[in-house]
Amino acid sequence: QQQVKQSPQSLIVQKGGISIINCAYENTAFDYFPWYQQFPGKGPALLIAIRPDVSEKKEGRFTISFNKSAKQFSLHIMDSQPGDSATYFCAASMGNTGNQFYFGTGTSLTVIP
Amino acid sequence: EAQVTQNPRYLITVTGKKLTVTCSQNMNHEYMSWYRQDPGLGLRQIYYSMNVEVTDKGDVPEGYKVSRKEKRNFPLILESPSPNQTSLYFCASSLLDTQYFGPGTRLTVL
Repeated sequence: QQQVKQSPQSLIVQKGGISIINCAYENTAFDYFPWYQQFPGKGPALLIAIRPDVSEKKEGRFTISFNKSAKQFSLHIMDSQPGDSATYFCAASMGNTGNQFYFGTGTSLTVIP
Repeated sequence: EAQVTQNPRYLITVTGKKLTVTCSQNMNHEYMSWYRQDPGLGLRQIYYSMNVEVTDKGDVPEGYKVSRKEKRNFPLILESPSPNQTSLYFCASSLLDTQYFGPGTRLTVL
């Protein structure tokens, strides 16, 4: 059973456009929600993360929107660039489980010039 | 340079031949984890460790073993590999919530 559901599986966006990736979870005990970025041939790298006490977090062109009541969170990439083309994973964890993480299935983003 | 290293990076083996994938981190992190990445399934946690001699099962532990005898090392052991363990494996370490991933090991079991 997938603890974190991610959509879409793939996304094609024009340069300068907004990329939006969505994730949903069921376990209300999750208290940390990171997004990871992975380039081909590399390991995932932390992009941005949020905790449920805030509804939005922004770092540069990347924003996480968090809806606690709907148990959903999303990644918005503003002014998308070809260099943003990568696979993006959302994840969730519970603070008291010693680093046990649940990842979404990933979204392959292609930004076309 | 702070990093997580894995060896080997690529491995082709045959069913039933025991193998070990090594993982080492130089950041003095307490937490370490192993994941497998498969198309359409994302990253799934195999085992994780909260400190030396403390390990716990993740989502997909069947067919794998781990040990944590030193803080910096967290080897993944496949005692009798099977074709369904063909995958891309990642080791990760973390101090708090931020995980740092290694470069990956692509394993093929024939």
